[in-house]
Amino acid sequence: QKEVEQNSGPLSVPEGAIASLNCTYSDRGSQSFFWYRQYSGKSPELIMSIYSNGDKEDGRFTAQLNKASQYVSLLIRDSQPSDSATYLCAVTAGNKLTFGGGTRVLVKP
Amino acid sequence: EPEVTQTPSHQVTQMGQEVILRCVPISNHLYFYWYRQILGQKVEFLVSFYNNEISEKSEIFDDQFSVERPDGSNFTLKIRSTKLEDSAMYFCASSRTSGIYNEQFFGPGTRLTVL
Repeated sequence: QKEVEQNSGPLSVPEGAIASLNCTYSDRGSQSFFWYRQYSGKSPELIMSIYSNGDKEDGRFTAQLNKASQYVSLLIRDSQPSDSATYLCAVTAGNKLTFGGGTRVLVKP
Repeated sequence: EPEVTQTPSHQVTQMGQEVILRCVPISNHLYFYWYRQILGQKVEFLVSFYNNEISEKSEIFDDQFSVERPDGSNFTLKIRSTKLEDSAMYFCASSRTSGIYNEQFFGPGTRLTVL
């Protein structure tokens, strides 16, 4: 069974701080890694994709991938109250996405 | 910005009835997917579809489920005889490619309630 694990949270961060989210996966054949943001009652929204080891930055978001450790993370810099949501880690070996259970993030003003 | 659309947003049905959930993928995308999310649980893959054929399906996608691309724009999920446990949010997604750069974009979902 291919698993993707995340800490469910909630991860509470003060406004302006850095939120750090982690994800581990079991399938060593995974090739692509994604972070989705999901507001309550809404659909997953793609915010980051990463395919090779190292860091990838996009605005206030940085994704980090370490395939040897089977670990992917997301940093949210200068956290805003609008970042309060559940963040889903998803991995794929090419077709279907396997999702983690998500980490709930609460940004407090 | 192009987006995936889904109808209806909410569907209520009686157990044993057939339902059809509809999706319009992003226009230049070639790969289509259905996922579901039971309340409080993970998003789960149901099926992927390419070139008018199912390319992969999960154990959830049994004989009660079927997918179809009836025309050049719509992509549908049919559940033949709904069960209480089919109550969930159903998300359609599409991507331009498969393989490594398989960025999937999700529609707003259809909330299915089976009574």
